[in-house]
Amino acid sequence: DTAVSQTPKYLVTQMGNDKSIKCEQNLGHDTMYWYKQDSKKFLKIMFSYNNKELIINETVPNRFSPKSPDKAHLNLHINSLELGDSAVYFCASSQESLILAGDTDTQYFGPGTRLTVL
Amino acid sequence: AQKVTQAQTEISVVEKEDVTLDCVYETRDTTYYLFWYKQPPSGELVFLIRRNSFDEQNEISGRYSWNFQKSTSSFNFTITASQVVDSAVYFCALIPLIQGAQKLVFGQGTRLTINP
Repeated sequence: DTAVSQTPKYLVTQMGNDKSIKCEQNLGHDTMYWYKQDSKKFLKIMFSYNNKELIINETVPNRFSPKSPDKAHLNLHINSLELGDSAVYFCASSQESLILAGDTDTQYFGPGTRLTVL
Repeated sequence: AQKVTQAQTEISVVEKEDVTLDCVYETRDTTYYLFWYKQPPSGELVFLIRRNSFDEQNEISGRYSWNFQKSTSSFNFTITASQVVDSAVYFCALIPLIQGAQKLVFGQGTRLTINP
């Protein structure tokens, strides 16, 4: 009954390869996110989707392409991997609301995917 | 623009000591949320607490307590009678409540080590 799941947990690949990370949430949330955590533990948002629509794209290189087939899934595809892409990638989800009530707008994170580019 | 500063990069204390993790934020928005997340050595990000900008009541949950002060733009986190299992990296974060801008802005994190 995992709330936000990601696969794979670890990904080791060569420079120049293309890889995908999958994310699924069973919380019924309408918004999903990808965050990147670098080697210094700094967390920064990459993308946000609301009901399958791209809402936030934080100047991420075009090699990164998120895909949301439905509102429970947000996958991240990375083309032509570079050494600097090595990081931990976290998926998250929340139920967006502009009302200060309930549990809305709290982002719940998946377990992370550690990507190592050699 | 929003910014969250956790000036303490690392803190190390002996078990059973009380410890406070500082968080200072900057935002021009009047409505926003503040969060604390815990990242234990296993790597996952665990949600601890959310406060909205209109609720300055302090909160206590077991050994954890949070002090939100808008006057100083701070949202500090105190662990009372610390335990080894509290060892983790703790992140303070902010979201402005603006439609279409639900991105968490994280502080740099504070690595807390509780020694037996």
